[in-house]
Amino acid sequence: DSGVTQTPKHLITATGQRVTLRCSPRSGDLSVYWYQQSLDQGLQFLIQYYNGEERAKGNILERFSAQQFPDLHSELNLSSLELGDSALYFCASSVGGVERETQYFGPGTRLLVL
Amino acid sequence: DQQVKQNSPSLSVQEGRISILNCDYTNSMFDYFLWYKKYPAEGPTFLISISSIKDKNEDGRFTVFLNKSAKHLSLHIVPSQPGDSAVYFCAASASFGNEKLTFGTGTRLTIIP
Repeated sequence: DSGVTQTPKHLITATGQRVTLRCSPRSGDLSVYWYQQSLDQGLQFLIQYYNGEERAKGNILERFSAQQFPDLHSELNLSSLELGDSALYFCASSVGGVERETQYFGPGTRLLVL
Repeated sequence: DQQVKQNSPSLSVQEGRISILNCDYTNSMFDYFLWYKKYPAEGPTFLISISSIKDKNEDGRFTVFLNKSAKHLSLHIVPSQPGDSAVYFCAASASFGNEKLTFGTGTRLTIIP
């Protein structure tokens, strides 16, 4: 158990809909990262938050947005969903503010868009 | 543009023998490298890491070797055990301020009893 929690574990929805994925980092970690893993792909970085502020952005679609709240949990919002958004979405956390950190991953949310 | 490459999608090794998983990278700004292990329906689990100032790091049965000039790293598992059967991802990050991980596509390791 990495200490990172994600909800829900599974999500089935229809095209055009909007969903919210939630992540709680390990206790004390200030950085939260979101990654997407599509079928037979490696994990692709989406976005990073550090202590409530956006710190880095990857190839995140404009239809996707995220935020980190004062209690450090994070939410990833996916809107106008398309079939191609079906994937595993992982959240990771790290201490933040130090070099060469290790990121610890949650169990993921499996999103299926029908 | 695949900056981190794992060219072997799968590998089968006899129990008790050595497993060697390979990873190549192209971005010379990467200075921290990690290996993660992933079981189905679970998130990646951190295994071992190595900083660019080292060429070897060991933790129990796991050893990671880094060859900076070749931009190549490898993970050695010895002796291999059935519980090691999983998908292994190599990941890399650049210097402070750019901590995102760039992942390879993974190698599925199967340990044969």
